[in-house]
Amino acid sequence: EAGVTQFPSHSVIEKGQTVTLRCDPISGHDNLYWYRRVMGKEIKFLLHFVKESKQDESGMPNNRFLAERTGGTYSTLKVQPAELEDSGVYFCASSQVDGPNSPLHFGNGTRLTVT
Amino acid sequence: AQSVAQPEDQVNVAEGNPLTVKCTYSVSGNPYLFWYVQYPNRGLQFLLKYITGDNLVKGSYGFEAEFNKSQTSFHLKKPSALVSDSALYFCAVRDTGGGNKLTFGTGTQLKVEL
Repeated sequence: EAGVTQFPSHSVIEKGQTVTLRCDPISGHDNLYWYRRVMGKEIKFLLHFVKESKQDESGMPNNRFLAERTGGTYSTLKVQPAELEDSGVYFCASSQVDGPNSPLHFGNGTRLTVT
Repeated sequence: AQSVAQPEDQVNVAEGNPLTVKCTYSVSGNPYLFWYVQYPNRGLQFLLKYITGDNLVKGSYGFEAEFNKSQTSFHLKKPSALVSDSALYFCAVRDTGGGNKLTFGTGTQLKVEL
């Protein structure tokens, strides 16, 4: 099966610009998650979709971040306007079931650099 | 709130020697614990998990982890390290809200040398 794919793999933008990250989960996985790792720190949860609905967005840092999953397939994460502290690696993950017996499958991540 | 600590930023070990990557956790209730590995330029891969049952959990690539409730630890181990094990290892605990919302540690870089 194809894994979780993320695009782009790298993005370098200037402060104030807009960036959109895309994630394609494994086919049939209703659950999609976004996580972020800021340089050298822990990986932090951002939000969780079940199909097209936001189940939990408690980790979204502020209203500059907007996640969507129209149609319940791929998801996008938009940062507008980007700030320096948004730099990091953004991971997308998916699972069939939202539970510990259905471990997360992660994509390779998008490395975002805001200059 | 739950938390995970990985006290070592980097662990160096010679190939063929046993390795241990340390993890301690803090969570209310019964912990669900995980180890993930990230190889260079790749995403995180699931290694193993502890939910209930035996304290010694076996996972992928010959790794195992020992759950110790009294010490609130979940150290990752392997009897004989390989150079190909060199990677970034993350310990995680399931959030008290359940599901696959995980709290991760800061990661430990494992370097296995010849």
